[in-house]
Amino acid sequence: RKEVEQDPGPFNVPEGATVAFNCTYSNSASQSFFWYRQDCRKEPKLLMSVYSSGNEDGRFTAQLNRASQYISLLIRDSKLSDSATYLCAVTFYKLIFGSGTRLLVRP
Amino acid sequence: EAEVAQSPRYKITEKSQAVAFWCDPISGHATLYWYRQILGQGPELLVQFQDESVVDDSQLPKDRFSAERLKGVDSTLKIQPAELGDSAMYLCASSLSGELAFFGPGTRLTVL
Repeated sequence: RKEVEQDPGPFNVPEGATVAFNCTYSNSASQSFFWYRQDCRKEPKLLMSVYSSGNEDGRFTAQLNRASQYISLLIRDSKLSDSATYLCAVTFYKLIFGSGTRLLVRP
Repeated sequence: EAEVAQSPRYKITEKSQAVAFWCDPISGHATLYWYRQILGQGPELLVQFQDESVVDDSQLPKDRFSAERLKGVDSTLKIQPAELGDSAMYLCASSLSGELAFFGPGTRLTVL
């Protein structure tokens, strides 16, 4: 079993839609959690950290469920510019990434 | 804004040749990571340094790959000999605390 798993997608949604991604992790002792965004052939860039209490940054909301060992990312009012691959990352003395979920936002 | 620097940005080599990639982390970042990313997959951790010490290299193919960070600042990743399957993006990232990490632009390697 992979340490961090994501649905590869692609998620194909119209502009203005709300879309949610989940990511599961296998190590219950994992310490920190992040969402990164990666555009085609570019490096991953930090989107947001994820906390148990949940956190929001504009149209983006991230949640952590330690009991079920998953993190989620919700994007409201999708924009064309949100089209990218979204990577979740988890730390337990090292930073491990999932395989990414591809999002395509269509006009 | 401080950034992670990597060079070269692109490298084309023939199989069995040696290649080397360089990374300069954000100043003051003690943790440095090297990842390999194959198209369509997530970054795979190859090696993690804390200062000049290797913390984790469990996924580094040590028969052909080596990494060093002699003075605990910049780092070099070497492949010798390169194989066709090594074609990928090689990403360097650095972190102040070993958690939140920032990536360089990567080196795209093509092995012919």
